[in-house]
Amino acid sequence: QSVLTQPPSASGTPGQRVTISCSGSNFNIGTNTVHWYHQLPGTAPKLLIYSNNQRPSGVPDRFSGSKSATSASLAISGLQSEDEANYFCATWDDSLSGWVFGGGTTVTVL
Amino acid sequence: QVQLQQWGAGLLKPSETLSLTCAVFGGSFSGYYWTWIRQSPGKGLEWIGEIDHGGSSNHNLSLKSRISMSVDTSKNHFSLKLTSVTAADTAVYYCARNAVDWSSASYYIDVWGNGAPVTVSS
Repeated sequence: QSVLTQPPSASGTPGQRVTISCSGSNFNIGTNTVHWYHQLPGTAPKLLIYSNNQRPSGVPDRFSGSKSATSASLAISGLQSEDEANYFCATWDDSLSGWVFGGGTTVTVL
Repeated sequence: QVQLQQWGAGLLKPSETLSLTCAVFGGSFSGYYWTWIRQSPGKGLEWIGEIDHGGSSNHNLSLKSRISMSVDTSKNHFSLKLTSVTAADTAVYYCARNAVDWSSASYYIDVWGNGAPVTVSS
């Protein structure tokens, strides 16, 4: 019952490109920037992409983000085994006056 | 490199008050909003609220009547109290920092604490 909708899982073989979608509404993604995080079990989330498509220093350029209308996407190119994690999107929601999150997508490297 | 260290009681009984504190190390305390977020298997990530160094705050409307947040600028600490807890409040609680991206005039959560598991059980 997360406000932002993500597929629960995604997978790919090493070297492949994987894309994760994040769907919202005009109150959130349609109006505000989207940010992406990854999280390993038992650890805190870490910032991957901010403001739709900006990478913090230290994040490989294999990770890229985009936004169109009320949806956003995270792409992982050149998939590596270390990319196995849970990925979730976040943005501000103007109708709820608060941060909202996606339910998370677990990426598996086959 | 800013780091957030958090602590607080991990096991509570129903109707008790949850208290958590987060300390900010290695960075400025002013000029940011400081945020509380919780994560549970059933509900995923849920924003609780945020407060700035001057004490101005915003709360999740669904929790607002039970939330109290404060800051101690002398110690670079910020704190959360959640009253009348129930089993539904069982979660890992994170403190985090909201940074500003001036190029897009938007906020984003950039640094997270290590998380504090809280269990509410009789």
